[in-house]
Amino acid sequence: KAGVTQTPRYLIKTRGQQVTLSCSPISGHRSVSWYQQTPGQGLQFLFEYFSETQRNKGNFPGRFSGRQFSNSRSEMNVSTLELGDSALYLCASSFRSGRAGPDNEQFFGPGTRLTVL
Amino acid sequence: QKEVEQNSGPLSVPEGAIASLNCTYSDRGSQSFFWYRQYSGKSPELIMSIYSNGDKEDGRFTAQLNKASQYVSLLIRDSQPSDSATYLCAVSGGYSSASKIIFGSGTRLSIRP
Repeated sequence: KAGVTQTPRYLIKTRGQQVTLSCSPISGHRSVSWYQQTPGQGLQFLFEYFSETQRNKGNFPGRFSGRQFSNSRSEMNVSTLELGDSALYLCASSFRSGRAGPDNEQFFGPGTRLTVL
Repeated sequence: QKEVEQNSGPLSVPEGAIASLNCTYSDRGSQSFFWYRQYSGKSPELIMSIYSNGDKEDGRFTAQLNKASQYVSLLIRDSQPSDSATYLCAVSGGYSSASKIIFGSGTRLSIRP
């Protein structure tokens, strides 16, 4: 079974630009979560989508947005990029979204490393 | 108080010894507990999950959960240099977070030959 895939793997942008990252979950998984990882802040939750609906949202500004398509693939968009947005963006998928059980185990993709100049 | 707390390390353990990684969490309603391993420059990899009090063993890894003390640990037996990585504790299913998985900041483990 193929794992979570993310594209692109590396991205260099300048301040003020916008960027769209893509995530394809493991086949059959319907929940996709996005995280930002930086050396100083660790792994920070951005948002979670399940069946095309945003289920949870982290404490990030409105410049960060996402969506999920009917095939469970997800995209996240960052508008008006700032230097502080430079990070590794990780996507994780799970079978479902809920409170407990193995179906909630999240599996991560390789990440997209975004550098903002 | 952080929702999931881990000692950042680095934790240095001799090869062949037992490495013990600890994690505490604040949401008493939490129901799912995970350990991820992350090598430098790579994404986190799920190595253990535990849902009920007690021990769960998988090869050289043992996860221990004590919900009354809000404490979860990971033991790595016969530590190998390839175990050198950052280990992330993650918790979900709490009253305040429901389906969201909350990660600790990770413990850096170094296995010395």
